[in-house]
Amino acid sequence: DQQVKQNSPSLSVQEGRISILNCDYTNSMFDYFLWYKKYPAEGPTFLISISSIKDKNEDGRFTVFLNKSAKHLSLHIVPSQPGDSAVYFCAASTGRGGKSTFGDGTTLTVKP
Amino acid sequence: NAGVTQTPKFQVLKTGQSMTLQCAQDMNHEYMSWYRQDPGMGLRLIHYSVGAGITDQGEVPNGYNVSRSTTEDFPLRLLSAAPSQTSVYFCASSYRTMTGDNTEAFFGQGTRLTVV
Repeated sequence: DQQVKQNSPSLSVQEGRISILNCDYTNSMFDYFLWYKKYPAEGPTFLISISSIKDKNEDGRFTVFLNKSAKHLSLHIVPSQPGDSAVYFCAASTGRGGKSTFGDGTTLTVKP
Repeated sequence: NAGVTQTPKFQVLKTGQSMTLQCAQDMNHEYMSWYRQDPGMGLRLIHYSVGAGITDQGEVPNGYNVSRSTTEDFPLRLLSAAPSQTSVYFCASSYRTMTGDNTEAFFGQGTRLTVV
């Protein structure tokens, strides 16, 4: 059973508009959530995170929202730029060890 | 500051061969992990380590061994390669805050492995 799900494999958005990427999880023990961005032939790079004690975290154009009761988080990118085109992975972790459970990713395409 | 370095970047193995994927980090991170990524899928955890001398299994450990003799290095050994192990392998490191909280992972550039 997949504990972290990203139900949209792809998303296409016009430059300047908002991109919203969604993620659902099933394990209520997860207490730390992260978004990573991945370009082809590169390793994932960290984008933004949120602790389970918060419901929102903002960093420049990127905002992550956490709804614990719904076991749902979302990443908002405003405004979207062509350079944001990449695969975005949602990840969740719990406890010690730094290990995370990843979703399957959403490919974001931002059209000029 | 090199971060997380993986070698080799590409490798082709024949079924039954063994090899070691190397991973080194220069950030003095406690935690290190190995993931594999198959097409259209997310990263799946193979093995991880919370410190030198301590390793544990992840979600998909079968066919792989690890050891952590130093803080810097975390090699992944394929014992007898199989076509099902064709994948992209990522090594990652992270640290724990003074309050014990997890933090983000730093990833290497990956090793693309093909088993024929």
